[in-house]
Amino acid sequence: DADVTQTPRNRITKTGKRIMLECSQTKGHDRMYWYRQDPGLGLQLIYYSFDVKDINKGEISDGYSVSRQAQAKFSLSLESAIPNQTALYFCATMGPGTDTQYFGPGTRLTVL
Amino acid sequence: AQSVTQLGSHVSVSEGALVLLRCNYSSSVPPYLFWYVQYPNQGLQLLLKYTSAATLVKGINGFEAEFKKSETSFHLTKPSAHMSDAAEYFCAVSPRSSNTGKLIFGQGTTLQVKP
Repeated sequence: DADVTQTPRNRITKTGKRIMLECSQTKGHDRMYWYRQDPGLGLQLIYYSFDVKDINKGEISDGYSVSRQAQAKFSLSLESAIPNQTALYFCATMGPGTDTQYFGPGTRLTVL
Repeated sequence: AQSVTQLGSHVSVSEGALVLLRCNYSSSVPPYLFWYVQYPNQGLQLLLKYTSAATLVKGINGFEAEFKKSETSFHLTKPSAHMSDAAEYFCAVSPRSSNTGKLIFGQGTTLQVKP
């Protein structure tokens, strides 16, 4: 089984809808991250969390919110989706005292 | 602010030829440096990383990268390309001064390997 899982893998929605993307990990890592990937731009950090009570904004947090329900779960929400949020979204985890992030398989989100 | 530049959004090589993917960073203090690979419809996988000590870093699948402080570069190489190397490659940095682990990514380079 994969260590970092994301659901759904693909989602098509309409402008104005609320969407939640979920990330779960079995690695026991404390740190979790959400990135979005756009063609030609690489990955950009949306939010990150060091534990359930520690949530931090990344470079492009506007229009997004997150919830760390447990150490193993980190959800990303789009309160009112807009077309320019169409992208590939990745969750990543990192353990304490380490420097390597482990990525999930990604969620492809299309906002019409 | 730190930034990462990958020269060439697309690189095409023949099978068996040298692979060279370029990465330059902007930082007065050398950051931690990473190369990730993304195969189609998959997440990112760490190829190799430079955190300290040895400037020539060996990674998985025959890849290696050399950290050159004077050139602020961390180019990725492989002596002989395989068809299975076709993927997108990302260079990323993480500032040493930060304990957040945040990664700053380059824009990516798509590697095409021709038979």
